[in-house]
Amino acid sequence: NAGVTQTPKFQVLKTGQSMTLQCAQDMNHEYMSWYRQDPGMGLRLIHYSVGAGITDQGEVPNGYNVSRSTTEDFPLRLLSAAPSQTSVYFCASSYPTLVDTQYFGPGTRLTVL
Amino acid sequence: SQQGEEDPQALSIQEGENATMNCSYKTSINNLQWYRQNSGRGLVHLILIRSNEREKHSGRLRVTLDTSKKSSSLLITASRAADTASYFCATDSADSWGKFQFGAGTQVVVTP
Repeated sequence: NAGVTQTPKFQVLKTGQSMTLQCAQDMNHEYMSWYRQDPGMGLRLIHYSVGAGITDQGEVPNGYNVSRSTTEDFPLRLLSAAPSQTSVYFCASSYPTLVDTQYFGPGTRLTVL
Repeated sequence: SQQGEEDPQALSIQEGENATMNCSYKTSINNLQWYRQNSGRGLVHLILIRSNEREKHSGRLRVTLDTSKKSSSLLITASRAADTASYFCATDSADSWGKFQFGAGTQVVVTP
């Protein structure tokens, strides 16, 4: 199993551009989450999903959209990138429930100029 | 806002010594998890402890939970250089089930 994979690993955007961060898992986990990690801070939850077709907002959802059309994929869309969204983004899946072990991807380092 | 706060922010020890770090939180929790993050990598789950549990062990790791003090501790015994990493606690609360909040972490450096 590849576990949780994220693409791209690095990305530089200009203010106002949009893009999609990809996240996929091959463990058949129902629960998936997106976090951002800023220097000196812990991870903050952006959005999460408890199954295909079901998503909900986390602590810092503004400026981000998600969808969950399949169990495997959970993409994160930046609608109009802002410098404040410069961060490292982590995707995670959980098993057997949302509150159990989270398996993290390697992260995407995003810089918005 | 951060629910959990780790203490100390940084810890430097020698191989073979024990490392202890603490996590304090503000509101009642359902679950508390500890994670390790090596530089530039994703987080790795270490231990989950539920609010009705007081202590859990996993190899050289020991986690305690004191809900009356709203705090948890992570003890790493007989530290190795490979334990050098940042350690985070994460909690979810009764009114935000599954929405984990992470602390800022404790940076641990283990020197040979």
